[in-house]
Amino acid sequence: AQKVTQAQTEISVVEKEDVTLDCVYETRDTTYYLFWYKQPPSGELVFLIRRNSFDEQNEISGRYSWNFQKSTSSFNFTITASQVVDSAVYFCALSANAGGTSYGKLTFGQGTILTVHP
Amino acid sequence: EAQVTQNPRYLITVTGKKLTVTCSQNMNHEYMSWYRQDPGLGLRQIYYSMNVEVTDKGDVPEGYKVSRKEKRNFPLILESPSPNQTSLYFCASSLVLLGVTEAFFGQGTRLTVV
Repeated sequence: AQKVTQAQTEISVVEKEDVTLDCVYETRDTTYYLFWYKQPPSGELVFLIRRNSFDEQNEISGRYSWNFQKSTSSFNFTITASQVVDSAVYFCALSANAGGTSYGKLTFGQGTILTVHP
Repeated sequence: EAQVTQNPRYLITVTGKKLTVTCSQNMNHEYMSWYRQDPGLGLRQIYYSMNVEVTDKGDVPEGYKVSRKEKRNFPLILESPSPNQTSLYFCASSLVLLGVTEAFFGQGTRLTVV
């Protein structure tokens, strides 16, 4: 079975602080995909990144960076110099072969509510 | 523009009154699914469909039905809604090709059952 754990329920920071959102996953599959989504107050889900299990290179996109470590089954997300517009719920998700049926299903973590204060 | 369209965005209904939430995608994707989002639980899959006339249960299917008569449409049916089905619902359409998944989500439907 697949499982994703985001242990931080809520994080509160002041603007310009760096913040890291943790994500730990479980799967028996050797091939899988990891995702991060942002859900702003308006409610839609915004895709941020996809990473496959064979690519452990860290990725940076502007103020966002992701650290993927297979050894610890973690896929953490860091926002550098946070801004008020970063306030949202962030979800980590896993897609695996689920016993051969499909990679289509996403297993989500519980979400982390990030509040950035001015 | 590639998109997944859900309707309605907001719905308040009474216990027991049948309702349907529609979902349509214009990307010719074979895989579609429904999720519900609840505080502290993230998103959980309700039902999914791998192609026309092929549907199966996800993690929380009780109280829901789906159908897939056309590739583009995947409606979610609540035959007799109950208050515990008050939630935020998302339809997703996925391109699943050689194991690569790209999921596109609708805007969400906020359902309240009183």
